[in-house]
Formats: sequence, C-alpha cells, structure tokens
Amino acid sequence: NAGVMQNPRHLVRRRGQEARLRCSPMKGHSHVYWYRQLPEEGLKFMVYLQKENIIDESGMPKERFSAEFPKEGPSILRIQQVVRGDSAAYFCASSPRGDGSYEQYFGPGTRLTVT
Amino acid sequence: QKEVEQNSGPLSVPEGAIASLNCTYSDRGSQSFFWYRQYSGKSPELIMSIYSNGDKEDGRFTAQLNKASQYVSLLIRDSQPSDSATYLCAVKEGSNYKLTFGKGTLLTVNP
Repeated sequence: NAGVMQNPRHLVRRRGQEARLRCSPMKGHSHVYWYRQLPEEGLKFMVYLQKENIIDESGMPKERFSAEFPKEGPSILRIQQVVRGDSAAYFCASSPRGDGSYEQYFGPGTRLTVT
Repeated sequence: QKEVEQNSGPLSVPEGAIASLNCTYSDRGSQSFFWYRQYSGKSPELIMSIYSNGDKEDGRFTAQLNKASQYVSLLIRDSQPSDSATYLCAVKEGSNYKLTFGKGTLLTVNP
C-alpha cells in the first residue's frame, strides 16, 4: 500500500489521558501535514512538518498539543490531558514537496473519541 | 482571515444530470485550487486540481477557475448515485503549503 497510512483508525480516551496519533507519508513524500475535522466543521490546518523539523505549527493549540516527524519512523501528533472538545477526526496528508502546486494526499484518518 | 466559502447544500440532482458546485475565496494571492470528495466517515480524496484560469477536464469532472472573480467551480457530468458525497474546495496561497478548506457542499444524486 503506497498511500498515506494512519493508525490507529479509532481511538477512545478518557478525559485526562494522552492520545498518540501516527502517520506514515506516502512513499517518496517527505512533507507531512496534520488537519483536524470537528463535527459539522471544515478541515482545519494544524501543523506542517518535514523530517526532524516543524515548519509551521500556527494551527495547533498552544497547550497540550505537540507534533514531531523524526528521522526514522512515522510522524506523531500527541495530545496530552485530552478533553471532550478534542473529539474529532484527525487527518494526515503528505506531499513530495511543500511549495508550489504540489498536491496533498490524505490518509484514512484517526477518529478520536474522548469520554 | 483567509476564507473559502461554499454553499453547504444539500444539492440534489437526478441521476444523469450535471451537478454544479461552487466555491469563492477571499485571498487574491491564492494560486492553487483543489477539489476533494469526502464520503461520510471517510477521508478526503483528491479529484481535481487547477492552477490556471479556464477549464480543466478529467473524465466526467470539469474544474473551472476565474481568478479575477475569485471563483472556482466543479461540474460533474452524467452524475451517478456513487457521486453522492461532500465536496470540499481547498485553496493554497502562492508558495504557501497549507490548504484552506471550505466547509463543503453535500451532493445527493437521486436514482
């Protein structure tokens, strides 16, 4: 499967727990983007990463959220001390480059439910 | 605040008809435009990209771009029930990288 991979597909956490979402970009892609889709809302940009670098995290909440894309392994979106408002679908997208007209392809998403 | 506006619908068309989906954007610096299809509970799937004024055709899909009017549209010819989904318009500014999405238009194609 050469597509963008995300896991887990569904994640249930109690309030106050930590959530870790993983994303492996499409083969040949080195740029990763995270988007969040709240119920009845549009997709919102959260963060853009290249290997070992956070390029833009302007869309990410200042507290409790962090992201990384290590030299080896998948990109990780980490949410600490989750609250009910964090319940959403989190999508990862990847592209071969970050500039110009390069298209972004989305993974299947992780649906986070906070109880 | 850069905005992308779409009619939320629902847009209902009979099978075999042409479905027309519209999108306007506020940022004149936008250079790249994309249409994604999203089935309920699924992820967005890229169906069209357009970068220059005019029309771009791909099978039953035609994207139209008018930068002067800040308007982009998607036409779906010979609509099929399987086209029933939410269509998301996304815009990227210049050499920027992040996509700004509209909230989507729900299309229903009735057999």
